[in-house]
Amino acid sequence: GIQVEQSPPDLILQEGANSTLRCNFSDSVNNLQWFHQNPWGQLINLFYIPSGTKQNGRLSATTVATERYSLLYISSSQTTDSGVYFCAVKPSNQFYFGTGTSLTVIP
Amino acid sequence: DTGVSQDPRHKITKRGQNVTFRCDPISEHNRLYWYRQTLGQGPEFLTYFQNEAQLEKSRLLSDRFSAERPKGSFSTLEIQRTEQGDSAMYLCASSQGQGVYGYTFGSGTRLTVV
Repeated sequence: GIQVEQSPPDLILQEGANSTLRCNFSDSVNNLQWFHQNPWGQLINLFYIPSGTKQNGRLSATTVATERYSLLYISSSQTTDSGVYFCAVKPSNQFYFGTGTSLTVIP
Repeated sequence: DTGVSQDPRHKITKRGQNVTFRCDPISEHNRLYWYRQTLGQGPEFLTYFQNEAQLEKSRLLSDRFSAERPKGSFSTLEIQRTEQGDSAMYLCASSQGQGVYGYTFGSGTRLTVV
């Protein structure tokens, strides 16, 4: 299957700081999604971004499909941003997830 | 619609016992998926249904696992003769068709085998 790698594995930020999370994938795909898993286990869709750039409030994402990577930017982080961020690709019926970036935002 | 519902939220069982989990998808979604997530890892695909037909199974789905979606609505995932390695979060998701839009995950069932 497709390999999805994320970095960094862990990140601790002071509230208000900015961060960049990276996702590399091994094969060309036309479906890439970023998720946030909250402390209760719920996976929340953040962005569907097979290519280009999207922004939603303090979050934005960029995918460069030809170079097989995607970036998630979090600006002015808040404690509620804590959790695990996953990128996942979906070449057919199933998502292939990375191992995630665990983010802790401290006040 | 309240999204994808999973029951129970937590299950503790003794090794060797059978367990069954339930997933209620979003009502208009025809596809239903099961994933397993172990500690520190991303979710891994187990199986999916389109309506009542089980169309794909992962190699992770051993003979001790069985999933059903008898009327194309809710689904059950049963694990027989549980082992400690089965301890994980079991996530259900649903979608309408193959696209990613509207692909929604439930909150999962956390299984602990002691």
